[in-house]
Amino acid sequence: EPEVTQTPSHQVTQMGQEVILRCVPISNHLYFYWYRQILGQKVEFLVSFYNNEISEKSEIFDDQFSVERPDGSNFTLKIRSTKLEDSAMYFCASRPGPTSEQYFGPGTRLTVT
Amino acid sequence: AQSVAQPEDQVNVAEGNPLTVKCTYSVSGNPYLFWYVQYPNRGLQFLLKYITGDNLVKGSYGFEAEFNKSQTSFHLKKPSALVSDSALYFCAVRDRGDSNYQLIWGAGTKLIIKP
Repeated sequence: EPEVTQTPSHQVTQMGQEVILRCVPISNHLYFYWYRQILGQKVEFLVSFYNNEISEKSEIFDDQFSVERPDGSNFTLKIRSTKLEDSAMYFCASRPGPTSEQYFGPGTRLTVT
Repeated sequence: AQSVAQPEDQVNVAEGNPLTVKCTYSVSGNPYLFWYVQYPNRGLQFLLKYITGDNLVKGSYGFEAEFNKSQTSFHLKKPSALVSDSALYFCAVRDRGDSNYQLIWGAGTKLIIKP
């Protein structure tokens, strides 16, 4: 069964550094998402992406964040200058069409020191 | 504002007993409703969803959930719990009018099934 994959599984970075989190959505899916989950807290929506552009973003998704679908298969989340409070589990999700549920990847645990 | 409430941080159930994980929601329109499960060190796995039709929805691993519009609830149930059901369960909703399919999440309920 096709799955959403994410790399790396764990990323440790120093404050102020740039990180890129990578996701490979399921191949026939058209809508893509990033969520984050700070340890012990609820899952929070970051951004949705469709037709090669951001369709919606939350207030968390400020200028430090960007997303890209560089080659038709990968979907990346970039954090330009990481802060301690960016430490969280980041989940990528995709869905094929309007009435389907979202399929989630296993997540990338980002630790900012 | 749209929100999802899971009033119990943790639910403890003995193996073989029925379980219920509660979820209530507040959205401006008619919702799509979802349950996801998160096992330790794993991602979010889809369990079931309510879109329309029968209020009782059956999903993976023997779970089911009942949509109650008057009580704005979507409680997750299973007739006989297994130790392997121990995990973190998230309720999520989406407003039908939201074409971006942003999910609004509950805080999660830790389900512990004791042998």
